[in-house]
Parts: sequence; C-alpha cells; structure tokens
Amino acid sequence: AQSVTQLDSQVPVFEEAPVELRCNYSSSVSVYLFWYVQYPNQGLQLLLKYLSGSTLVKGINGFEAEFNKSQTSFHLRKPSVHISDTAEYFCAVRTGTASKLTFGTGTRLQVTL
Amino acid sequence: DGGITQSPKYLFRKEGQNVTLSCEQNLNHDAMYWYRQDPGQGLRLIYYSQIVNDFQKGDIAEGYSVSREKKESFPLTVTSAQKNPTAFYLCASRGLAGGPGTGELFFGEGSRLTVL
Repeated sequence: AQSVTQLDSQVPVFEEAPVELRCNYSSSVSVYLFWYVQYPNQGLQLLLKYLSGSTLVKGINGFEAEFNKSQTSFHLRKPSVHISDTAEYFCAVRTGTASKLTFGTGTRLQVTL
Repeated sequence: DGGITQSPKYLFRKEGQNVTLSCEQNLNHDAMYWYRQDPGQGLRLIYYSQIVNDFQKGDIAEGYSVSREKKESFPLTVTSAQKNPTAFYLCASRGLAGGPGTGELFFGEGSRLTVL
C-alpha cells in the first residue's frame, strides 16, 4: 500500500527566507510523486511532479523538489518565499499500477513580513 | 477553456436530506475522482471512476453514492446515512492514455457543504 507523511502541519517563515516542506512516502514499488498547492476555498493546483529521470524537479512559482529514493523522500524547497506563497501544500504519491493518488495531510505555509 | 466545473460552490442543507454535488469536465479525461477534505486530515478518496458506467469505492465511501452515465459527468450524492457530511468536496479528473505523464490530477474549485 502507498502512503504519504508530511511531518509539519504548519511552517511559519519570514518573507525572502528559504523554506523546505518535508514529505516522506511509503511504497514497495516504483512511484510517481506530486506536490500541489491550495489557496483558501479553492481547488488544488499542481506545483511539480516526479515521474522518472532527473531527481531534481523544478516547478512553477520558483519551487523545486528532490526525489531521494534511499530516504523515500520528496521535499519541496524554495530559496526565497513571498507573501503570496502563503497557502496549504500537499504531497501525493501514486504507484505505477494504482489508479488512486494518495495525499498527505498537508503543510500550511505562513509567510510573514 | 478546458477544465472542471463543480457546483454549487456553497450548499446548506438540513440534517437527514440527501444532497447531490455536480462535477463536469471538458478535458476528455477518462478517470474522475471525488475527494473529501477536512481540516488537518488532507484529502480522502470517496469514489473514483475510470470508465463510463463503472466506478469503485475509495477509502471513505460509506454514506455516499455516485454515477457515471457520461464521460463528462460524475455527480456525488451525499446521503442521509453519512454521519458527518459537513466538509469541502473536491472533484478531479485524469487522462489515462499516454503513460506515466497522465498521473496528474486536475481539480475543480470545490463545493463546501454545511449541514445544519
């Protein structure tokens, strides 16, 4: 079975500081990994995805993530955050044979001045 | 523009009433999904469908029902049997043809149901 753990429910950070949102997954087979962002009362928008190939994935809005198979992690990073990055971020995993996408419980990123 | 439309965005109902949430997509996607979102619990899968006239239960299907009579439409009914129906409901779709790149889900804007 596939599962996702987002260890941090909330991450406060000052504007222009770097941020890392952690994601660990559990699966015994090959995986596809995703990060989504959700603004209040809206649906989810894809930030980036790892399907295969290079372990460093670049997404929209200056975000990037690194797939680490040995540590079963897919942490999301941004070198300098903006107030507009305040949102909830979800990590998700899908195995090669599964139809379902399994989501973590989310991390609320709060950017302040 | 292509996308997923959910309606209504906000819905209030009395306890014991059935409620149907609409989800329509014009992305020509084969698979459609319904998720429930509660604070601190992330997204939990209710039902999904990979083809017309077929659907499967997700992790929390009890108290819900769906139909898939058309490729574009996947309505969700929240029945009176659902013990705690107040939540934010998200519909999503995914194309199945073409390999791993189709793993991405596209989401609607959500429907917030409040049971009084």
